[in-house]
Amino acid sequence: GENVEQHPSTLSVQEGDSAVIKCTYSDSASNYFPWYKQELGKGPQLIIDIRSNVGEKKDQRIAVTLNKTAKHFSLHITETQPEDSAVYFCAALRHNQGGKLIFGQGTELSVKP
Amino acid sequence: DVKVTQSSRYLVKRTGEKVFLECVQDMDHENMFWYRQDPGLGLRLIYFSYDVKMKEKGDIPEGYSVSREKKERFSLILESASTNQTSMYLCASSFYTGDTGELFFGEGSRLTVL
Repeated sequence: GENVEQHPSTLSVQEGDSAVIKCTYSDSASNYFPWYKQELGKGPQLIIDIRSNVGEKKDQRIAVTLNKTAKHFSLHITETQPEDSAVYFCAALRHNQGGKLIFGQGTELSVKP
Repeated sequence: DVKVTQSSRYLVKRTGEKVFLECVQDMDHENMFWYRQDPGLGLRLIYFSYDVKMKEKGDIPEGYSVSREKKERFSLILESASTNQTSMYLCASSFYTGDTGELFFGEGSRLTVL
């Protein structure tokens, strides 16, 4: 089955700097890769996603890149702000698996003012 | 807004007790999921359901069962709680698309088994 590895487990940056979180997946049939943000005391929430037919997707300060050949994808946050502090999860989904996402281990991002 | 409500935010139970975790969603989603969240292990799928009375095992079903008698409600059951089931439990729901589909999560139920 699918296995998703996520690094780093913790990341601390200064406000205004960029943050990058990386994930690798094992199943070449996976074709959908979302990123979720979990704020303290809340459930995870989708912030951006990418399908396997696209190499990059951007939404304001966040972007995701996908390298299908290497089977890895990354989340990029630019101009970080204190409210970006949270736990971030990457995930992968194989075609026709009915929304059964396999999640990475999570990255705790801390943005210091 | 989609709302997924988990009945208990915090529970403390004793070893051997039967535990029910309830989850209700208000958006008529076909899919419902139970995940377990542990530090360093991410979110691991326990069980999921595509429809009423249908259930499938996830990656870590041992020690758990589920019930889905109504479309909006998905319950996680620990028949005999053990200390290694101390964890954060997250319920989620989504529309069935066959391919993608955003998961909407509840706020979680933190279970401590003594």
